[in-house]
Amino acid sequence: GAGVSQSPRYKVTKRGQDVALRCDPISGHVSLYWYRQALGQGPEFLTYFNYEAQQDKSGLPNDRFSAERPEGSISTLTIQRTEQRDSAMYRCASSLYSWDRDRYLGETQYFGPGTRLLVL
Amino acid sequence: TQLLEQSPQFLSIQEGENLTVYCNSSSVFSSLQWYRQEPGEGPVLLVTVVTGGEVKKLKRLTFQFGDARKDSSLHITAAQPGDTGLYLCAGDNTDKLIFGTGTRLQVFP
Repeated sequence: GAGVSQSPRYKVTKRGQDVALRCDPISGHVSLYWYRQALGQGPEFLTYFNYEAQQDKSGLPNDRFSAERPEGSISTLTIQRTEQRDSAMYRCASSLYSWDRDRYLGETQYFGPGTRLLVL
Repeated sequence: TQLLEQSPQFLSIQEGENLTVYCNSSSVFSSLQWYRQEPGEGPVLLVTVVTGGEVKKLKRLTFQFGDARKDSSLHITAAQPGDTGLYLCAGDNTDKLIFGTGTRLQVFP
């Protein structure tokens, strides 16, 4: 079955350029998350959506970062006027909430392969 | 800011040894998850624990959720080279997942 896909897998850009990173979630998953992950560390939350609504963008580092999910499916993370410190692995995850009758079993996130961004 | 601290940060052991990874927070979570991430891949869910004091076993892996739902542990019995990877805990505060700092495990044959 199709998992979460991200494109491009690698992006090299020059400082000052804008980049757009795409995430294609698992079909039917309501929630979509964007993370940034440094090597050997846990994912750092950036923002998330339920359907097309952006629920929380508290993790976006500054106003050069924005995200959208206009039709509740594919999402784009845009970084304007990139800086070298933006270089990182950007990961997307879509999720499914699990219930057993009335008991909440938790949320399972399925991660994409990531986009490695290098800003020169 | 909710933080999930994992310890140890790095662990190198020989095949056959036992180990425990800890995940601690001052915050209460509705559930807690453990993920394993291999190089070049995204994290993959291993288990979710929901009830305080809950213990779940997955073959040689034993996961425990603290009574107060603030901490968790992962115990691996008789580690194998295939267990090598980055282990991440993640707390669900019903709004979003907060990931831990990660424990990098290397098991040598």
